[in-house]
Amino acid sequence: DVKVTQSSRYLVKRTGEKVFLECVQDMDHENMFWYRQDPGLGLRLIYFSYDVKMKEKGDIPEGYSVSREKKERFSLILESASTNQTSMYLCASSDPGQGAIGELFFGEGSRLTVL
Amino acid sequence: GIQVEQSPPDLILQEGANSTLRCNFSDSVNNLQWFHQNPWGQLINLFYIPSGTKQNGRLSATTVATERYSLLYISSSQTTDSGVYFCAVKQTGANNLFFGTGTRLTVIP
Repeated sequence: DVKVTQSSRYLVKRTGEKVFLECVQDMDHENMFWYRQDPGLGLRLIYFSYDVKMKEKGDIPEGYSVSREKKERFSLILESASTNQTSMYLCASSDPGQGAIGELFFGEGSRLTVL
Repeated sequence: GIQVEQSPPDLILQEGANSTLRCNFSDSVNNLQWFHQNPWGQLINLFYIPSGTKQNGRLSATTVATERYSLLYISSSQTTDSGVYFCAVKQTGANNLFFGTGTRLTVIP
């Protein structure tokens, strides 16, 4: 079974802090994704990566950066957390299939609260 | 961008009942997936079904790509089926999955 592990289920941070959300997958998938989920807005793509050291902006990249130094690990970084970044963050991975996305598998999610 | 509409938005069922969830999309797609989000927030992959029909236990799904819709069938529902069901699609030529707003299912004992 595919396993996608997110480092923290719940985090509480203060405005201005630097926040790291880590995601690790164990199936040698090439693609990794970061989404955020907000009530009424659904899931929105922040960044994705098709390969090591490669990243592409999604629909809402502002205020975020990512790092993919190893194939199995994809990190989401909030350089200076703000209250509007309070959200549920979901990491996913996949193998490229038809259309270069394939079948996504998600981690358990990280619920971030910024005070 | 592509529009993805899921219906109904909310559904309440008695345990043991059957249900059909629908996903309509506005353009050609080459990737369609159904997910179940459990009460703890995790998205569980149910089906990867850009076309055709698949079955997995009490769940089955059908996508008619030429008519731009997909259906998820849940038979003999159980309380553990409660949660939000999402359809996600990728437009042909695009590089992103786009999620619908979901159907919230509540199964009562």
